[in-house]
Amino acid sequence: KQEVTQIPAALSVPEGENLVLNCSFTDSAIYNLQWFRQDPGKGLTSLLLIQSSQREQTSGRLNASLDKSSGRSTLYIAASQPGDSATYLCAVPSTSGTYKYIFGTGTRLKVLA
Amino acid sequence: DTGVSQDPRHKITKRGQNVTFRCDPISEHNRLYWYRQTLGQGPEFLTYFQNEAQLEKSRLLSNRFSAERPKGSFSTLEIQRTEQGDSAMYLCASSLGSFETQYFGPGTRLLVL
Repeated sequence: KQEVTQIPAALSVPEGENLVLNCSFTDSAIYNLQWFRQDPGKGLTSLLLIQSSQREQTSGRLNASLDKSSGRSTLYIAASQPGDSATYLCAVPSTSGTYKYIFGTGTRLKVLA
Repeated sequence: DTGVSQDPRHKITKRGQNVTFRCDPISEHNRLYWYRQTLGQGPEFLTYFQNEAQLEKSRLLSNRFSAERPKGSFSTLEIQRTEQGDSAMYLCASSLGSFETQYFGPGTRLLVL
């Protein structure tokens, strides 16, 4: 059964710092991995999708890496800004031949001005 | 492209009442997902449609829950005889294909008194 863990659960950093969020999954036979952002009380916004054949994906100040063999992904945020404050969630498809995605519980990020 | 929309955004109901939520996906997306999210948790998969066909249903979806997607466009999620444990954010997402980027709506927050 696929399980997704995100560490740390919460993180508070000063503005301008570079930071890394971690996501680990128990079954490495994944099709892809998605990173999302969620603002309080809102829906999720897709940030990056990494296919299983890729090792990295970049969008602006965000860089996501994927190491399938070790069951890990990281989301790197460069030069953090107060507007980056949100909860960041990763999700992978269930590996039991279904279409559903399994989400982690997220990392709640606060960037202090 | 107006994104995924959900209606209503908030719903307060008394225990035992029936409620229905609507999701309008991005127009060309033929995949549609429903998730439930409680405070501090990641979204939990409820059900998945490919066009009008409901291809998968979570065991979380008791027989009080039903979802439809007539004509493969909008979808409805109905909860009958609501219980306090049904209080959560109900999220809808759509995608162009299986295992592609999911685009989420703003969610419907349900409170059962």
